[in-house]
Amino acid sequence: EVQLVESGGGLVQPGGSLRLSCAASGFTLSDHNMDWVRQAPGKGLEWVGRSKNKDNSYTTEYATSVKGRFTVSRDDSRNSLYLQMNSLKTEDTAVYYCASYLYGVPYLGGQGTLVTVSS
Amino acid sequence: DIQMTQSPSSLSASVGDRVTITCRASQGISNYVAWYQQKPGKVPKVLIYTASTLQSGVPSRFSGSRSGTDFTLTISSLQPEDAATYFCQKYDSVPFFGPGTKVDIK
Repeated sequence: EVQLVESGGGLVQPGGSLRLSCAASGFTLSDHNMDWVRQAPGKGLEWVGRSKNKDNSYTTEYATSVKGRFTVSRDDSRNSLYLQMNSLKTEDTAVYYCASYLYGVPYLGGQGTLVTVSS
Repeated sequence: DIQMTQSPSSLSASVGDRVTITCRASQGISNYVAWYQQKPGKVPKVLIYTASTLQSGVPSRFSGSRSGTDFTLTISSLQPEDAATYFCQKYDSVPFFGPGTKVDIK
């Protein structure tokens, strides 16, 4: 069974940093693209960034809103995905989910992790 | 980047009604389009993937289709538990979510 469990959220001041983690199980991480997706309070879903699979050299891509501030990385040996968030802004406040796409089927994390950027 | 517009932004329909929600891609895309259902306070749930494949466990009243750059989610007979917000997503090269459609029951 595919499981994605996010962690690492919390309260951080504007300009601060935070690192989110996503523990994956039920599949081999290196074989699949992995995304971070977020949802601000009362808003829709927004794609944040992607770590492509091993066959695509683990290339990363980012939404314009986070490019240069956020970094997606992975540790396939730990079956984990990460999101390093720097220079955080109040508008980054959201629930963050990790997502995987196994043979065309999307899976979204089961709980998300809340990031609140506030002074 | 390719974007997805979604319509309507909200609708109100009666139990038993047929409901359609459409997402239009700004240019030609693959079939890697999914539809999600989200109820208040809950994690979004995948209903449809690859444009028309029903996710396991999802009621058969939900269906997805494609015509050119238009992707449609249809609820054949609306039920009270279908009150929710629905999002489309392209998830191939650069993912993008539609803005959502809020469905209310009259």
